Amino acid sequence: AQSVSQHNHHVILSEAASLELGCNYSYGGTVNLFWYVQYPGQHLQLLLKYFSGDPLVKGIKGFEAEFIKSKFSFNLRKPSVQWSDTAEYFCAVNAAAAGNKLTFGGGTRVLVKP
Amino acid sequence: EAGVTQFPSHSVIEKGQTVTLRCDPISGHDNLYWYRRVMGKEIKFLLHFVKESKQDESGMPNNRFLAERTGGTYSTLKVQPAELEDSGVYFCASSQLLVGEQYFGPGTRLTVT
Repeated sequence: AQSVSQHNHHVILSEAASLELGCNYSYGGTVNLFWYVQYPGQHLQLLLKYFSGDPLVKGIKGFEAEFIKSKFSFNLRKPSVQWSDTAEYFCAVNAAAAGNKLTFGGGTRVLVKP
Repeated sequence: EAGVTQFPSHSVIEKGQTVTLRCDPISGHDNLYWYRRVMGKEIKFLLHFVKESKQDESGMPNNRFLAERTGGTYSTLKVQPAELEDSGVYFCASSQLLVGEQYFGPGTRLTVT
């Protein structure tokens, strides 16, 4: 069975600080990897995804993530956060062999102080 | 293009009552998923429809939960009878491709008292 682990439950940082959120997954086969974000009062929306190719993936709003297959990791980064990045971030994986359902990590609440 | 919509946005019911949640996927999306987030826990998969067929219902907690997607358009998730542990946020998502981005609705917050 797939599982996803996000290292931090809560992160507090100041504007302009760099952000890195850890994500590790457990699955032996080929996976697709996602980061979703839920801003206060809004829907879950996709930040970025990795299916294949370049392991460094760029998403919306200046976010990027790096897939390191040997470490089963897909960490999310942003060099300089803004107050508007305050949200909950979810790492997720799916696999065609496992029916394409998304398996989510527990989420990380990020608070950016102005 | 309209997004995934869910109704109601909130529902408060008593233990033992019945509640029906509705999800309208993005038009043309054959794949429809239900997920649930119980407070303090991760978002968990419930089931997956491809058109009107249940492709995977391995995440359904028990037989008090019944999902339908008649005609392959909107879907309903009925909980009967509701128990306290059913409280949480129920998300619906849809996708055009079997392997592709899933678009989420705003969720229905269910509170069972």
